[in-house]
Amino acid sequence: TQLLEQSPQFLSIQEGENLTVYCNSSSVFSSLQWYRQEPGEGPVLLVTVVTGGEVKKLKRLTFQFGDARKDSSLHITAAQTGDTGLYLCAGRVGAGSYQLTFGKGTKLSVIP
Amino acid sequence: AAGVIQSPRHLIKEKRETATLKCYPIPRHDTVYWYQQGPGQDPQFLISFYEKMQSDKGSIPDRFSAQQFSDYHSELNMSSLELGDSALYFCASSLEGPRETQYFGPGTRLLVL
Repeated sequence: TQLLEQSPQFLSIQEGENLTVYCNSSSVFSSLQWYRQEPGEGPVLLVTVVTGGEVKKLKRLTFQFGDARKDSSLHITAAQTGDTGLYLCAGRVGAGSYQLTFGKGTKLSVIP
Repeated sequence: AAGVIQSPRHLIKEKRETATLKCYPIPRHDTVYWYQQGPGQDPQFLISFYEKMQSDKGSIPDRFSAQQFSDYHSELNMSSLELGDSALYFCASSLEGPRETQYFGPGTRLLVL
């Protein structure tokens, strides 16, 4: 059973469209990160959210952490071809946990 | 800004051989983590260290061991390599704390033939 469910798994959109990626769990996370990973490379951090209800913006990317700290979303406005890639959410379950649990990822393709 | 350094970046080994992967954390980071990512899979946590002590353990095989040294760098030692050990191995580092962000290195691609 996957602790973090990401949806959709694959997303193909036209340049200029908006999109939202979801990351859901039945567990509470002390913090949650969003990463972007290129093939054969390490995950690159986009944002960390720690407070329930928190919203963070990174240019055209908006990240939201659910009030109960069990879910998160990534919204991209006016997608560009440079946004193409694999987006991973990852979180730590429990205050004493050191390990990150990852979702399966959302593979985004932005078509010109 | 300095990032996590991993070496080697690529490694080819035969079955039953041993391999050592090295990780140099971001300066001032005292916690290191090791993850394994198989083809098309999400990264799976192996083990972590804080101040040279093992802080958490995940799905690390008994054939693997790791340690953190006084300069905070870490090494992952893999023995009796199997074909299924072929994967990307990532090291991440952070400051100590339950909400601290983990920053990942570029990974070591291990191929076992």
